[in-house]
Amino acid sequence: GQQLNQSPQSMFIQEGEDVSMNCTSSSIFNTWLWYKQDPGEGPVLLIALYKAGELTSNGRLTAQFGITRKDSFLNISASIPSDVGIYFCAGHGSSNTGKLIFGQGTTLQVKP
Amino acid sequence: DARVTQTPRHKVTEMGQEVTMRCQPILGHNTVFWYRQTMMQGLELLAYFRNRAPLDDSGMPKDRFSAEMPDATLATLKIQPSEPRDSAVYFCASGGGPYEAFFGQGTRLTVV
Repeated sequence: GQQLNQSPQSMFIQEGEDVSMNCTSSSIFNTWLWYKQDPGEGPVLLIALYKAGELTSNGRLTAQFGITRKDSFLNISASIPSDVGIYFCAGHGSSNTGKLIFGQGTTLQVKP
Repeated sequence: DARVTQTPRHKVTEMGQEVTMRCQPILGHNTVFWYRQTMMQGLELLAYFRNRAPLDDSGMPKDRFSAEMPDATLATLKIQPSEPRDSAVYFCASGGGPYEAFFGQGTRLTVV
């Protein structure tokens, strides 16, 4: 079945640094979504991407839908301690069944 | 403040017992997902519904798991009989269209 490969698996950075993480697939995806999960909570939708090449921002977060439709990246600029959490990419494959698949997540830790 | 509501938040049960988890999707949303999250497997899609009809439950062990939507305001996930390997956090998510999903806070299940 379709799978999403997310990297890096974890990151430990200094407050104020920029962060970049990405997600790749061996098959085409029609949508890419980026979520953040805090401990003890459900994932929260950050950014949704619907078209190849689309670049969308949400505050300090920027995400892009890759031209090949097989990848996406998420950037966080000027990280702050509350950015700590697990970031997930998710997407809908080309079969248009509505099935939403998740990557394995990137754990972000920010040192004040 | 619209949100997905899951009950119970925590459940501890003995092996062999029946477990029922409930989800109230966001009013007006017509797509409902059930996910299971573990450290080893990440977020696994168990089943999802559109307009109360099951579209895909291929991720769910059929012999012990069942998912239903008795009406538009309630989705249930049942495990009978439960086993220790079912211990995980179970998330429900709902979406107003075919692409986005908004998560509840999850039910943390422990089977002893």
